[in-house]
Amino acid sequence: GAGVSQSPRYKVTKRGQDVALRCDPISGHVSLYWYRQALGQGPEFLTYFNYEAQQDKSGLPNDRFSAERPEGSISTLTIQRTEQRDSAMYRCAIARLNTGELFFGEGSRLTVL
Amino acid sequence: AQTVTQSQPEMSVQEAETVTLSCTYDTSESDYYLFWYKQPPSRQMILVIRQEAYKQQNATENRFSVNFQKAAKSFSLKISDSQLGDAAMYFCASRRDNTGTASKLTFGTGTRLQVTL
Repeated sequence: GAGVSQSPRYKVTKRGQDVALRCDPISGHVSLYWYRQALGQGPEFLTYFNYEAQQDKSGLPNDRFSAERPEGSISTLTIQRTEQRDSAMYRCAIARLNTGELFFGEGSRLTVL
Repeated sequence: AQTVTQSQPEMSVQEAETVTLSCTYDTSESDYYLFWYKQPPSRQMILVIRQEAYKQQNATENRFSVNFQKAAKSFSLKISDSQLGDAAMYFCASRRDNTGTASKLTFGTGTRLQVTL
């Protein structure tokens, strides 16, 4: 993706395990977004940050999901006690400030067995 | 809340022909942005085109253009001279123009475009 690196690209885990997904945007980018895309669906908003401050987490499905961006650069999305329904592509994105268009990373595909 | 509807799960077009993908949206906002994103088999998300609601002129990017009907809340994508590389999933998305700092896009469910020889 344009200026956004995500890792791991693929993650297979067993139900009940915790996973951490990482997003590394190009330096100096203020806003960072997390979206989730289930198979056959469009992306859905999870949360976003301006610098290190989490501005909106209304899209996080439940309290097993959390995100942080402690130094205003790299962000981590953590899913605790994973469930099969958490299987999806998790996408990180940066936004163009004036128009809001998003530039997505290549995503982390999570499979929970 | 905004909603975006793509009523065509799949479309097919012959190479070099023109195809139109439909999208309708529902918003109470007066100012907003609309987008079309392309998702090829690699599953990247690539911005195709953007339309500002306050602009009456339809956006155009090379072979891609939109037909923006604000009153009807319709935002269709036209692909001219279709190429094999256009085969992908296409997502329509909207974003309300609030403070300019929040890109909470609402996406439709997508239209899968096949391009045949």
